[in-house]
Amino acid sequence: AQKITQTQPGMFVQEKEAVTLDCTYDTSDPSYGLFWYKQPSSGEMIFLIYQGSYDQQNATEGRYSLNFQKARKSANLVISASQLGDSAMYFCAMRDQPGRRALTFGSGTRLQVQP
Amino acid sequence: DAGITQSPRHKVTETGTPVTLRCHQTENHRYMYWYRQDPGHGLRLIHYSYGVKDTDKGEVSDGYSVSRSKTEDFLLTLESATSSQTSVYFCAISDGPDTDTQYFGPGTRLTVL
Repeated sequence: AQKITQTQPGMFVQEKEAVTLDCTYDTSDPSYGLFWYKQPSSGEMIFLIYQGSYDQQNATEGRYSLNFQKARKSANLVISASQLGDSAMYFCAMRDQPGRRALTFGSGTRLQVQP
Repeated sequence: DAGITQSPRHKVTETGTPVTLRCHQTENHRYMYWYRQDPGHGLRLIHYSYGVKDTDKGEVSDGYSVSRSKTEDFLLTLESATSSQTSVYFCAISDGPDTDTQYFGPGTRLTVL
């Protein structure tokens, strides 16, 4: 079964600095994708970024980028120039079984951006 | 934003009562999902649907049933609610085929006393 591990329960970062949130995964599926979601204190789940296992380049979306290291089975989220509004829970996710579209999530990392 | 609504948004009920949560989408997406979120567990899949009348179980399906009679609606039923089902429930939708990006509804906070 697929497994997602987020080892950082909480992180602090100074405003305007970059921060990396760790995500490692385990899968037997040769084709897979990694997702990152943000959950602010208001509770909604917001899709941030997606990386496919066969994508040649690391995914980027604005201030978000994925540091995808396939051999190490890691897909770390990098947030550049942190803003106070980035304070939230961040979840890494991937398909829960090969050929199935449901996702399995990590336990999340709470990021706090300090002024 | 994806057109996904959940109702009710908050509910308090008593142990042993039936509860139905509704997810409604206006995106005509094929796939719909129900997750629950508990502290320390992230989100866990309860059931999902890959088409009208087509559903499959997830990791934590015991005590839950689902129905999808129309593309736009996916119902989650707790036949006899228990305190362990106190949680926040999220519905999500996706369309594929290239990515599995799921878009989430606002969530339903359910408390079972």
